[in-house]
Amino acid sequence: GAGVSQSPRYKVTKRGQDVALRCDPISGHVSLYWYRQALGQGPEFLTYFNYEAQQDKSGLPNDRFSAERPEGSISTLTIQRTEQRDSAMYRCASSLRTSGSWGETQYFGPGTRLLVL
Amino acid sequence: DAKTTQPPSMDCAEGRAANLPCNHSTISGNEYVYWYRQIHSQGPQYIIHGLKNNETNEMASLIITEDRKSSTLILPHATLRDTAVYYCIVRVDPNTGNQFYFGTGTSLTVIP
Repeated sequence: GAGVSQSPRYKVTKRGQDVALRCDPISGHVSLYWYRQALGQGPEFLTYFNYEAQQDKSGLPNDRFSAERPEGSISTLTIQRTEQRDSAMYRCASSLRTSGSWGETQYFGPGTRLLVL
Repeated sequence: DAKTTQPPSMDCAEGRAANLPCNHSTISGNEYVYWYRQIHSQGPQYIIHGLKNNETNEMASLIITEDRKSSTLILPHATLRDTAVYYCIVRVDPNTGNQFYFGTGTSLTVIP
């Protein structure tokens, strides 16, 4: 594909519901990253994958957040029992080479705006 | 965990050079300096990155001081479409992680 795609673009859910956010990286990109962005703030790192392996999940706020990338391509960020404070823009990025490469560039998707009522 | 300091906002006249400063006094020897920008609610867009030497591409120039404690992003002829939030990022050692810490950036307004 031409760029990183994310779906849905907008998600409104009720507190306590689970949500799944999808990221489709640029074809051939081996690394995938998830960020969260609050209004007026820069993106905040959540987690990343090299191929299907989750390398670092230290940025996930708590155990309600999880991510997977089972086949090394599409990734899903899942938030269980959503809370109002989870409302934010969730952004995905991908890079061509693994994150172990110096000078590697990340390309960002348009994001999913999540609103928890 | 942001390791950079940027002014919160700047103005620049259209057609003039926009010089955006960034302090990264705790940068380590192998850490790259990246610049991204974000227009409205779009995803961050890569601009340029560098390690020690000055870099130039079709979008901008990056000037890194000799001690690497600060850098300046230069947009040589700013246009209205360059109005955006500009993030200076020091990349964490990729051997331990690839996190980009964006901070709050500089909101650049290009004035007609």
